[in-house]
Amino acid sequence: KQEVTQIPAALSVPEGENLVLNCSFTDSAIYNLQWFRQDPGKGLTSLLLIQSSQREQTSGRLNASLDKSSGRSTLYIAASQPGDSATYLCAVRDGNFNKFYFGSGTKLNVKP
Amino acid sequence: DTGVSQDPRHKITKRGQNVTFRCDPISEHNRLYWYRQTLGQGPEFLTYFQNEAQLEKSRLLSDRFSAERPKGSFSTLEIQRTEQGDSAMYLCASSFAGDEQFFGPGTRLTVL
Repeated sequence: KQEVTQIPAALSVPEGENLVLNCSFTDSAIYNLQWFRQDPGKGLTSLLLIQSSQREQTSGRLNASLDKSSGRSTLYIAASQPGDSATYLCAVRDGNFNKFYFGSGTKLNVKP
Repeated sequence: DTGVSQDPRHKITKRGQNVTFRCDPISEHNRLYWYRQTLGQGPEFLTYFQNEAQLEKSRLLSDRFSAERPKGSFSTLEIQRTEQGDSAMYLCASSFAGDEQFFGPGTRLTVL
């Protein structure tokens, strides 16, 4: 069974800092990987989707990379802002079955 | 189209009662997913539909849980004889052909 781990579980940084969130998965046979943000008590907002054949995707201040062979993805946030404070979740889609496996998330706090 | 919607947003019920949740996906999406999320954890996959066919069910989905998607449009998730352990956020997501998932705001269930 696919296991997805996100480290660190929580992160607090001052405004303006660049930061990296990590996601690792145990089975490299994935179809794609998706990063989300979740605000307290809310649903998930899609940030970036990386197909298994891709190495990275960019959207604004966000850049996500994928190294399928080593089972790792990173989400890079440039020039962090207080509005970036949320929980960030990664999810992998199993390559053989139509299931998505989520990590437990990294709770980010950006201090003004 | 305004995205994935879920109803109700909150449900409080007594142990032993039945509850039903509704999800309306993005109209052109053929896949619909149900997840359960407890505090501090990532969403756990419950089941998914491709059009009206339920193609995958998690072992988490006990006999008390049933999901339907008549005519391949909206979906309902019913929990019979609710237990306190069923208290969680129930999330619905939709996608086209298994790619980028878009989530609804969730239904928060509290079982007293």
